[in-house]
Amino acid sequence: QVVVTQSPSASASLGASVTLTCTLSSGHSSYAIAWHQQRPEKGPRYLMKVSSDGSHIKGDGIPGRFSGSSSGAERYLTISSLQSEDEADYYCQTWGTGKGVFGGGTKLTVL
Amino acid sequence: EVHLVESGGGLVQPGRSLRLSCAASGFTFDDYAMHWVRQAPGKGLEWVSSINWNSVTIDYADSVKGRFTISRDNAKNSLYLQMNSLTAEDTALYYCAKDVSGYYGPGSHPDYWGQGALVTVSS
Repeated sequence: QVVVTQSPSASASLGASVTLTCTLSSGHSSYAIAWHQQRPEKGPRYLMKVSSDGSHIKGDGIPGRFSGSSSGAERYLTISSLQSEDEADYYCQTWGTGKGVFGGGTKLTVL
Repeated sequence: EVHLVESGGGLVQPGRSLRLSCAASGFTFDDYAMHWVRQAPGKGLEWVSSINWNSVTIDYADSVKGRFTISRDNAKNSLYLQMNSLTAEDTALYYCAKDVSGYYGPGSHPDYWGQGALVTVSS
C-alpha cells in the first residue's frame, strides 16, 4: 500500500520562497499527488495536482506564487514571495488500492 | 460557485449512531464522485470513505469499515454518512469533499471542501 511522507514542519521568512516535499513510498514513484492547504481554523483548500512528469494543475483562484514539480518519488510544492496568509498546514494526498491516502502534513511558519 | 455544507454533527454517546449530511450546490452533483474526510482534534486529515457518481463503487477506511455507510441522493444533491457503533476514536471534524472526476482513484482528487461538521463521541 502506498504511503506518502512529509516533514512535520517548515519555516521561511516573509517574501522568501519555500519548497515543501511529499515522498511516495518505494514502488509508487509514478503516482500523482494533490496538495491541499489548511489555514488555522479553516477547512482544507485544494491547491494543485502534481504528476510524475512534473506537470501540475492548479485549483480555481490559486495564485501564480504556488507551483508544483516532481523528481523521482518526490513531489514538491513551491511557494514564492511568501505572505503571512500562507502560514498553514499543507497536506499531500494520493490513492492506494481502494483507499485514499494523506500525508501527515507540514506546518509552514512564516517568520 | 461550489458550496458544500455539512450538517448533523453533535455530541453522541459511545455505541450510538449519527448521520451526517452534505448539501451540495454550484455544480452538477451527479457528475462527480464524493468523499468524507475527517480530522481528529489536533491531528491531520484522515480519509474515511468515497463514492463514485452513480454509487456503484464505494470504499471505506479500515477504521470505519462495517460501521459507517456512505450514500448519496443525486436527486437531492446530497451526500450522507451513516455512522454506527461510534467510539471516542471517531471524535473528529468531518469534511465533505467533491472529486475532480466522476470516478475516484489514481489521478483524481478532491477539488472542493466543505467547512466540516463536528462529531464528539463521549459519555
